[in-house]
Amino acid sequence: DIHMTQSPSSVSASVGDRVTITCRASQGLSSWLAWYQQKPGKAPKLLIHGASTLQSGVPSRFSGSGSGTDFTLTISSLHPEDFATYYCHQASSFPYTFGQGTKLEIK
Amino acid sequence: EVQVVESGGGLVKPGGSLRLSCAASGFIFTNYIMNWVRQAPGKGLEWVSSIGSDSNYIYYADSVKGRFTISRDNAKNSLYLQMNSLRAEDTSVYYCTRDMGAGGFDVWGQGTMVTVSS
Repeated sequence: DIHMTQSPSSVSASVGDRVTITCRASQGLSSWLAWYQQKPGKAPKLLIHGASTLQSGVPSRFSGSGSGTDFTLTISSLHPEDFATYYCHQASSFPYTFGQGTKLEIK
Repeated sequence: EVQVVESGGGLVKPGGSLRLSCAASGFIFTNYIMNWVRQAPGKGLEWVSSIGSDSNYIYYADSVKGRFTISRDNAKNSLYLQMNSLRAEDTSVYYCTRDMGAGGFDVWGQGTMVTVSS
């Protein structure tokens, strides 16, 4: 099974800050990596697929990069609505696996 | 509007069974791989199972293999998850998701809560 390790597990930041979350896979994924945002009591929302392709309707302040085993999600300038939990997800091979999540909190 | 709506969750005793349903609308259901993903209270996301567009392939997480069965009825635009021999650790919100085919799940339902407790 492919193990996904996200870091940090939590981060405190302020509105306007730039934030980067990383995800490392135990095996190469090519570009089969997605990022999701989840707010309390809500279903996850797809932000990025194919490691770097922005999902339709997602603000351009979100970006993804990486390939192989190392990936990043960057929010260029935090908005109040961005405070949430973020998950990476490998869709390279079954069983699919998710990172443990990164909780982005207001400083 | 593209959407999926889950139903069938509830409270069940350990060892019991439950069948979840997912009704899809607003898209051509037969064109998509579908999945179940779950989330235990206060925990992260866990992939449960996937089924090909015409049921041509099926995969399960080891944690549910042999106990859960995924199926779909393309004529009814519906996805199902039959859950048997339920355990306390199966307690979760269960989400039905659409696989966009490009390495991401782009449509999620609101989730249905399954609680396994005596």
